[in-house]
Amino acid sequence: GQNIDQPTEMTATEGAIVQINCTYQTSGFNGLFWYQQHAGEAPTFLSYNVLDGLEEKGRFSSFLSRSKGYSYLLLKELQMKDSASYLCAVKDSNYQLIWGAGTKLIIKP
Amino acid sequence: GAVVSQHPSRVICKSGTSVKIECRSLDFQATTMFWYRQFPKKSLMLMATSNEGSKATYEQGVEKDKFLINHASLTLSTLTVTSAHPEDSSFYICSARDGDRENTIYFGEGSWLTVV
Repeated sequence: GQNIDQPTEMTATEGAIVQINCTYQTSGFNGLFWYQQHAGEAPTFLSYNVLDGLEEKGRFSSFLSRSKGYSYLLLKELQMKDSASYLCAVKDSNYQLIWGAGTKLIIKP
Repeated sequence: GAVVSQHPSRVICKSGTSVKIECRSLDFQATTMFWYRQFPKKSLMLMATSNEGSKATYEQGVEKDKFLINHASLTLSTLTVTSAHPEDSSFYICSARDGDRENTIYFGEGSWLTVV
């Protein structure tokens, strides 16, 4: 079967750095997405990785290793507004999005 | 970035009535749009894939006669919840695939449906 694993919840301190991991086993791979979702709102797009390596976009970076079926989202200089759920999704061989359950990130002052 | 607009953001309807939710891609053409449902504290659940000019593809367990999807143009897909029941109350989210931006999926704002 297809599976995406992320930690259920993480806690970090304002101003610090946090890494949210995502491992996947899917039938084929055509890219990995990270989305941010605040409670009660729709997800917003953060990043897209299709090749191995690190993609940096401001305070957020996303890393992919296809051979390991592994990705992480790195958030730097954490702000209170970064408290949200972070969703990892993989596009499989049929170009269907397979979703992780999301990681709830709690930022403390 | 690309914008997807969903309307209405909140709707309350009576049991037995139908309600339509619109999803529009504002600055790109979306041959494929997706409709999701999300229960509180749960992950997104794909309901159906909507392809412009053809019938939607429904996921297993989703009633196609209850959740009518119409993708009449490259920028508009609609979801109609027919004969709504209180258990249909949920957060419905649409998304659209932008073929010009590496097939990135962009989401609408979501629609809260409450059936009373």
